[in-house]
Amino acid sequence: QVQLVPSGTEVKKPGASVKVSCKASGYTFSTYDVNWVRHVPGHGLEWMGWMNPSSNKIVYDQKFEGRVTMTWDTSMSTAYLELSSLTSGDAAMFYCARGRRTRSSYFMDVWGNGTTVIVSS
Amino acid sequence: ELVLTQSPGILSLSPGERATLSCRASQSVDRSYLAWYQHKPGQAPRLLIYGVSSRAAGIPDRFSGSGSGTEFTLTISRMDPEDFAVYYCHHSGGAFTFGPGTKVDIK
Repeated sequence: QVQLVPSGTEVKKPGASVKVSCKASGYTFSTYDVNWVRHVPGHGLEWMGWMNPSSNKIVYDQKFEGRVTMTWDTSMSTAYLELSSLTSGDAAMFYCARGRRTRSSYFMDVWGNGTTVIVSS
Repeated sequence: ELVLTQSPGILSLSPGERATLSCRASQSVDRSYLAWYQHKPGQAPRLLIYGVSSRAAGIPDRFSGSGSGTEFTLTISRMDPEDFAVYYCHHSGGAFTFGPGTKVDIK
């Protein structure tokens, strides 16, 4: 079945970078977008950006621009999110989600279970 | 910059009651790109509605969406115990953004 499998929990020090991954299966990885969404405990969902392996297009939310890098490995059907200069405010669950485009809509229809990132000195 | 505002922030209901959740956009948006997601603690968010009113696969018909322009509504006709969660509207045309969410809890 279609699924996105996230990498495991990460523990990082303030100022460090973290790179999390999301492995897709059950569909052709390159033909869909991958979105990244952050959920800080006690706060709402934050859209971070999307990437499309087929068009090589990447769009970042302004809030994360300069600190986030989204990449992928098509041969591994895996998307990566790297976030640098971590602060305690970055401690969160990071979700990947498949972005599906139709002729007249766009939505995120399949979600990974999320990767927990802990930031602690 | 597009801003989505959701109301109420918290909605307290009993099972069987009707839920009406509002999402207001700071500017008129293309209804094609307005979706609703459900998020429960410890779980991944789940797509409920896309294109304002189309139910995603497997979503019960007690969930419905409506609206246009700047005003959108998610309605749950009769709250089931499994429906208590946080609900987010999301726009994905041009600038992608989530609303702040409405938490629906048990009265």
